[in-house]
Amino acid sequence: KAGVTQTPRYLIKTRGQQVTLSCSPISGHRSVSWYQQTPGQGLQFLFEYFSETQRNKGNFPGRFSGRQFSNSRSEMNVSTLELGDSALYLCASSLGRTGGTTEAFFGQGTRLTVV
Amino acid sequence: KNEVEQSPQNLTAQEGEFITINCSYSVGISALHWLQQHPGGGIVSLFMLSSGKKKHGRLIATINIQEKHSSLHITASHPRDSAVYICAVVLWNTDKLIFGTGTRLQVFP
Repeated sequence: KAGVTQTPRYLIKTRGQQVTLSCSPISGHRSVSWYQQTPGQGLQFLFEYFSETQRNKGNFPGRFSGRQFSNSRSEMNVSTLELGDSALYLCASSLGRTGGTTEAFFGQGTRLTVV
Repeated sequence: KNEVEQSPQNLTAQEGEFITINCSYSVGISALHWLQQHPGGGIVSLFMLSSGKKKHGRLIATINIQEKHSSLHITASHPRDSAVYICAVVLWNTDKLIFGTGTRLQVFP
């Protein structure tokens, strides 16, 4: 069974640009969550999608957005990039059953550098 | 105060030593994850616990829901165990994870 796949693995962008990151979950998983990891703030929750709907959202500005497609693949977009957006962006997939907690499986992450 | 606190922040051990990493949380949870992150970034889920104790090889994880505390133990530590270990709780009635700051473990031969 293939794991969670994130693309691209590395990305360099310029301030003011926008970027789209992709996450393909494990087959059969319907929940995809996104996290930002920085040296200063550690791992922080961005948002979670389940069956194409955003179910939970963290405390990030509106420049951070996401979506999920009918095949459960998810994208996150960051517009008007700032230097502080440089981070490792991780996604995790799970079955996402309602009424119960299911184990999360993480991708390798996309390392974004904003210059 | 962080909702999830880990201790210690850094840990150095000699190969073969028994290691304990602690995690305390202050929110209602439905489960707790122990995660391992190696240099390069990829995160591996070691355990997901909602009660009691789980064992996988040399790794043991316990949780005490009443005391809001969990521990990760590594028996007979090995240099390949060197990594950052992160405790993450699943916020009650959501799939949202809240993370501890991690424990950086270095095991020397």
